[in-house]
Amino acid sequence: DAKTTQPNSMESNEEEPVHLPCNHSTISGTDYIHWYRQLPSQGPEYVIHGLTSNVNNRMASLAIAEDRKSSTLILHRATLRDAAVYYCILSRDDKIIFGKGTRLHILP
Amino acid sequence: EPEVTQTPSHQVTQMGQEVILRCVPISNHLYFYWYRQILGQKVEFLVSFYNNEISEKSEIFDDQFSVERPDGSNFTLKIRSTKLEDSAMYFCASSTPGLAGPDTQYFGPGTRLTVL
Repeated sequence: DAKTTQPNSMESNEEEPVHLPCNHSTISGTDYIHWYRQLPSQGPEYVIHGLTSNVNNRMASLAIAEDRKSSTLILHRATLRDAAVYYCILSRDDKIIFGKGTRLHILP
Repeated sequence: EPEVTQTPSHQVTQMGQEVILRCVPISNHLYFYWYRQILGQKVEFLVSFYNNEISEKSEIFDDQFSVERPDGSNFTLKIRSTKLEDSAMYFCASSTPGLAGPDTQYFGPGTRLTVL
């Protein structure tokens, strides 16, 4: 499975936008970019995914670089409830390989 | 909104005992998974299950582990003879074939297994 690189942790102020980066320089043409998050003491939760084009849903936006070697998860207005570990995952089949992710801290 | 449920939320067992962890996937989903997370570590894939058989399993999923879909709603993970190192959170997930690439997986809240 192709590897992703994320910062270990990030901080953001409540009610401000958050940009979570992910590098995936070895991505192949059939790899989808998935983002999941894990809130404290909970199971992983799907956030968003995309292939080439930017994507928006009610939770977040996903900005994918033109060469697809990096992507950014955008939380438009962070709340305390968004404090979690965010995982950027490349997948071409149904198995999810989780990395260490980025631990996002939200400051009130 | 439909969700994956798991029981029990916490299971304590003695080393060498058998445990069965239960999951009720989302009703129209066709693919089922088990993952585990040892405290402070990454979430690890164990096994995927489709059409009443294992479609893929990891190195962790050795002969001590088995999965079953005994009826139309439950999906179980059995550990035959638990070891101390089996202590972890076990997450069940389910998905259904989608048009946009690999299926989104929906995870349950997990079962915390403690082996003494």
